[in-house]
Amino acid sequence: GAVVSQHPSWVICKSGTSVKIECRSLDFQATTMFWYRQFPKQSLMLMATSNEGSKATYEQGVEKDKFLINHASLTLSTLTVTSAHPEDSSFYICSARWRDLNIQYFGAGTRLSVL
Amino acid sequence: RKEVEQDPGPFNVPEGATVAFNCTYSNSASQSFFWYRQDCRKEPKLLMSVYSSGNEDGRFTAQLNRASQYISLLIRDSKLSDSATYLCVVGGFQKLVFGTGTRLLVSP
Repeated sequence: GAVVSQHPSWVICKSGTSVKIECRSLDFQATTMFWYRQFPKQSLMLMATSNEGSKATYEQGVEKDKFLINHASLTLSTLTVTSAHPEDSSFYICSARWRDLNIQYFGAGTRLSVL
Repeated sequence: RKEVEQDPGPFNVPEGATVAFNCTYSNSASQSFFWYRQDCRKEPKLLMSVYSSGNEDGRFTAQLNRASQYISLLIRDSKLSDSATYLCVVGGFQKLVFGTGTRLLVSP
């Protein structure tokens, strides 16, 4: 069964609105979660590393004011895409690191379509 | 140069065939290596970790050559259900870097 739950799985929204995506680790505590974005026929690109109780670490070129990340508990991280625009349309996937190993388990992903 | 490079394929093989995928990585300090499988419009799922000594899991065998910075995946006796994109993944402790994937199509 799934060890990481991600919601919603599909979002269609108007340009200018904000969208919140939740990522939950099930049955284990994840001090570190990751947010990725994947465009069609491209590889997963890491957007940011989310650490419980501290600020997220963003990858170069990712706007932290546009992609707000909150990791308020050991089982929940959220990504908010603020003032979404059509170019933000993509497949957003979260993952949680399993214990202290470098294995990551992924949520089912959120397909965002901004009109 | 990309950090992780893979042949995008697609590899078209008949059921029962043996197929091999290769992957190279550029960061010699990489510590962990994996193969993930991603079905169309779905999230990646861990297929297997890759160790220097090589490891096998049923029909799947993975090899790592640190000197050449090269990783391979061998699939024996291909099944229709093996059709997917196989992602070579390399990482240090904090981050994983994904290749673009190699697409496999197994036909009856």
